[in-house]
Amino acid sequence: DTGVSQNPRHKITKRGQNVTFRCDPISEHNRLYWYRQTLGQGPEFLTYFQNEAQLEKSRLLSDRFSAERPKGSFSTLEIQRTEQGDSAMYLCASSPPMGAGELFFGEGSRLTVL
Amino acid sequence: EDQVTQSPEALRLQEGESSSLNCSYTVSGLRGLFWYRQDPGKGPEFLFTLYSAGEEKEKERLKATLTKKESFLHITAPKPEDSATYLCAVRSNDYKLSFGAGTTVTVRA
Repeated sequence: DTGVSQNPRHKITKRGQNVTFRCDPISEHNRLYWYRQTLGQGPEFLTYFQNEAQLEKSRLLSDRFSAERPKGSFSTLEIQRTEQGDSAMYLCASSPPMGAGELFFGEGSRLTVL
Repeated sequence: EDQVTQSPEALRLQEGESSSLNCSYTVSGLRGLFWYRQDPGKGPEFLFTLYSAGEEKEKERLKATLTKKESFLHITAPKPEDSATYLCAVRSNDYKLSFGAGTTVTVRA
C-alpha cells in the first residue's frame, strides 16, 4: 500500500536560497493539499489542487511561494528567497474524488532556514 | 472563518488513567469533524470523522463524540503507546480542513 510520499524529508538551507519540495499523492486521489505546521501548532492550510487546477491559495502563501501540479499527479511547492520565518514542516495530503472528506497526510518535509 | 480550540494543551496520564480531550469549534455549516493522531516528526494519521450531533465513533481505547459546539476524545485505560498529539479539525466547505493546535498526551507506565 503506497501512501503519500514527500521528498526531501529534511532540508537545511541558508536564508535567501530557493527550495523545492515534491509530493506524490495516493494514486487514485485527485485532490491534493499543502499545509504548513510550526512547533506547537496545528497544520495551516496553504493551497489546494483538484486534478491540475489550483483552486485556492491561502493568504499565508506569499508571492515567494508557488505550487504546481502539472499533470494532476505529483505536486511541487517552491519557496523563493527563503526567510527564517519559513522554517516549518510542510505537509502534503491527498483525498479521493468521492471520499468522506478526510485527508491522508505524508510524513512531511521539514525546512530549516539558517 | 472557521475556528477550532483544543484543550488542554498537554495532558499527562498514568497508564490506565482514563481522561478526555476537548475540541470546541465555530463553523458556518459543519460538514465534518475530524480527529487525527500525530507522532513526533510524522504527518497526522486519520482516526475518525463525525458528522452530526450525537454521533459516536470508537477505535480500540479511543472514543470520539460530537455535540453542536464541541467534540470529545475519550481515552479509556490508556497505554504508553497512546502517547501522541491529538488534532481536531473541521470542514465547512467542499475540501479544506481547519485544524486546532492539538493536545499532547503523555502516558507514563
